[in-house]
Amino acid sequence: QLQLQESGPGLVKPSETLSLTCTVSGGSISSSNFYWACIRQAPGKGLEWIGSIYYSGGTFYNPTLKSRVTMSVDTSKNHFSLKLSAVTAADTAIYYCAGYMTTDDGFDIWGQGTMVAVSS
Amino acid sequence: SYELTQSPSVSVSPGQTARITCSGDTLTNQYAYWYQQKPGQAPVMVIYKDSERPSGIPERFSGSSSGTTVTLTISGVQAEDEADYYCQSADSSATYVFGTGTKVTVL
Repeated sequence: QLQLQESGPGLVKPSETLSLTCTVSGGSISSSNFYWACIRQAPGKGLEWIGSIYYSGGTFYNPTLKSRVTMSVDTSKNHFSLKLSAVTAADTAIYYCAGYMTTDDGFDIWGQGTMVAVSS
Repeated sequence: SYELTQSPSVSVSPGQTARITCSGDTLTNQYAYWYQQKPGQAPVMVIYKDSERPSGIPERFSGSSSGTTVTLTISGVQAEDEADYYCQSADSSATYVFGTGTKVTVL
């Protein structure tokens, strides 16, 4: 049973880069043939998909965030990462990591989420 | 990008049936997924590929699709079903979008 655990900075200053790490447990990130995703939820708002990365490294991003998003996989640490640059207060949200087997499967594995606030 | 529209809220008495709809042009040729989110918790998928139910999800949750609208039905609603529900779909380039969300209140 694969599980995800997010780790994030808690607080990021405006214009800086937000870095989120999602650690996979219960299996290898590279042998499970999973897609991995980052999804966020601003306070009191709905869910927003940020981007996805395949275990081999291929990526696809939300067009509205694409210019600021970079995702990567580190197989040696069994985790994947999100970097979101030039953050503003609008990026304040709970950030979730998620996993899915194929693009037809939906997000069936979720981490518990981590709150990231953008403030000076 | 495209949008998925849901009604903001649904209120239902225990034992009754709740129906939550989600509308969007992409739903004519893309699967829909439904997630339940309780306060302070991560979402949980309750329906995938329009009408399939993941293991462990009660049979009272069902999904259907017709044209540009998909529907999540909760039959015999229980107090524990009170939550926010989100639909989700994708476009042909694997860009994912979530619906606006529906708050289900059990009276």
